Amino acid sequence: NAGVTQTPKFRVLKTGQSMTLLCAQDMNHEYMYWYRQDPGMGLRLIHYSVGEGTTAKGEVPDGYNVSRLKKQNFLLGLESAAPSQTSVYFCASSYSIGLAPDYNEQFFGPGTRLTVL
Amino acid sequence: AQSVTQLDSQVPVFEEAPVELRCNYSSSVSVYLFWYVQYPNQGLQLLLKYLSGSTLVKGINGFEAEFNKSQTSFHLRKPSVHISDTAEYFCAVRGGTSYGKLTFGQGTILTVHP
Repeated sequence: NAGVTQTPKFRVLKTGQSMTLLCAQDMNHEYMYWYRQDPGMGLRLIHYSVGEGTTAKGEVPDGYNVSRLKKQNFLLGLESAAPSQTSVYFCASSYSIGLAPDYNEQFFGPGTRLTVL
Repeated sequence: AQSVTQLDSQVPVFEEAPVELRCNYSSSVSVYLFWYVQYPNQGLQLLLKYLSGSTLVKGINGFEAEFNKSQTSFHLRKPSVHISDTAEYFCAVRGGTSYGKLTFGQGTILTVHP
């Protein structure tokens, strides 16, 4: 099993450009999450999804959109990139909380380092 | 809503010394607590978790943490650190019905010196 994979690993954008980050998981997890990591701020939740076709806002959703057309994929889009979106982006996935708590561990991808000039 | 405060942004220690990384949380509901480790240029890896039961939980790589409900703390400890423990450590909390969403602390960079 590959676990959680993220594409691309690195990207440099100019202000105003758009891009899509892809997250894929092969563990048949219901829940998927997008976080951003900034120095001294830990990880902050951008958007999340509790199932195919559903998405919801997290703590810092402005400037981002997401889609979950297939259970195994969760896409994060930046429509018009800004320097404030320079960050490391992590995707994670987990089983539904309907299962016992032991199954709710989030598994993280390796991250995408995005720089917006 | 939950929040997490990691009380030290950086902790330098010498090899084979003990270490404690401090984490306090606030929540109006019962919580699950986690410690994750991030090695340089890598993703996050789960060290240990508290879900219920014994307040002392043991994790990988010789780490352990103690859940203290009265002090709303979940401090991470290791009796003897190695150079390879150099990494950033994150404490995280999850409410019981929050769709699994994690709230992270700011992170503590542990640097182990020879």
